[in-house]
Amino acid sequence: DTEVTQTPKHLVMGMTNKKSLKCEQHMGHRAMYWYKQKAKKPPELMFVYSYEKLSINESVPSRFSPECPNSSLLNLHLHALQPEDSALYLCASSQDFRSTDTQYFGPGTRLTVL
Amino acid sequence: SQQGEEDPQALSIQEGENATMNCSYKTSINNLQWYRQNSGRGLVHLILIRSNEREKHSGRLRVTLDTSKKSSSLLITASRAADTASYFCATDPRLSYGGSQGNLIFGKGTKLSVKP
Repeated sequence: DTEVTQTPKHLVMGMTNKKSLKCEQHMGHRAMYWYKQKAKKPPELMFVYSYEKLSINESVPSRFSPECPNSSLLNLHLHALQPEDSALYLCASSQDFRSTDTQYFGPGTRLTVL
Repeated sequence: SQQGEEDPQALSIQEGENATMNCSYKTSINNLQWYRQNSGRGLVHLILIRSNEREKHSGRLRVTLDTSKKSSSLLITASRAADTASYFCATDPRLSYGGSQGNLIFGKGTKLSVKP
């Protein structure tokens, strides 16, 4: 099973809402990533978890809060977002946190903030 | 921060033709990878080439790396309509002591359209 699943596929939320994005993998991977991708732009790294510990936070605003409950799950909690946060949010995983490891991406969550 | 820059930004070809995409980067790297993304979907890893390699093949894909010019190219031979997608190069910048940060930096991408 080389699949990374993400839920929901689409999410529309207001600026005062609290919502969560979920990501799951069952490949035994120990590194998991959140990326943000705006239309016609490359993915931008937000967070990296390695062995369930936050390894990288690319100066992401605190209205995005990641959580790694266990080695298979990665959440992204959203609160008080802005319309400019509307984007495709991609989750990925890799065997380990090494750049030579292939990253497997989920299909993404298309987020719209009204 | 952005590292790779692909060109062309968009490429339109007929089925059966070859497609060549280029990626230039700014700093020394440990390795370079190519990913493909179908419209609005997740990325799929295509191939990885290490800094000490000059060429790699995988099926209809051929990747070259010229570290002196800080550039790479991706060639897709005998293209098919199903190859229509955006293609991104991603680099692992080499740190001053020769190590790796671990994460990849993606270029802007080339949007390839293959017409049947």
